Amino acid sequence: GESVGLHLPTLSVQEGDNSIINCAYSNSASDYFIWYKQESGKGPQFIIDIRSNMDKRQGQRVTVLLNKTVKHLSLQIAATQPGDSAVYFCAEIGTGNTPLVFGKGTRLSVIA
Amino acid sequence: ETGVTQTPRHLVMGMTNKKSLKCEQHLGHNAMYWYKQSAKKPLELMFVYNFKEQTENNSVPSRFSPECPNSSHLFLHLHTLQPEDSALYLCASSQVPQGKAENTEAFFGQGTRLTVV
Repeated sequence: GESVGLHLPTLSVQEGDNSIINCAYSNSASDYFIWYKQESGKGPQFIIDIRSNMDKRQGQRVTVLLNKTVKHLSLQIAATQPGDSAVYFCAEIGTGNTPLVFGKGTRLSVIA
Repeated sequence: ETGVTQTPRHLVMGMTNKKSLKCEQHLGHNAMYWYKQSAKKPLELMFVYNFKEQTENNSVPSRFSPECPNSSHLFLHLHTLQPEDSALYLCASSQVPQGKAENTEAFFGQGTRLTVV
């Protein structure tokens, strides 16, 4: 069945280093992918998205890479800051009327 | 602020109580959603409303009853809940129903932290 999962539940990164958060998905028909950031006590916030016809998209300090061959999605955060500490979720939307499917999330901890 | 407001932020209720969660969005969106977030579990979709019509009930027990009186408001009525229903309940909205078109990102509220005792 359809599923989205994350390779690592926790990730600790030194402040200033780059962070890479990974996500695997199983539905090859998924058309749209989103990364969300959830800080403590808040709802998920949109970070960046990518469509299946792209393999890379860049935002401010963030880059999402999509490898459809191995059904893998990653989020790269450049120059990680303490404010980046949060749980990061990947989510996918398949074709047809299917709402977002979320992975379990990866907790990113930034070490000052 | 995402434009999606949920009240209350925290709620403690007994198993025999009846309570309601409220969600409001002023983004002009046409689709609204209820999600349940439990510890160490993925976000679970509960209900989907598109243009005020319920289009998805993701096998949610009948002790959870959604209501969407208009495209800006969404309620989740709770009755005879169980302790395992304790979780963060998140409301979200999107411009168009997800999976239908471009820019279908969902905007989330802050959530209601529900504790059933």
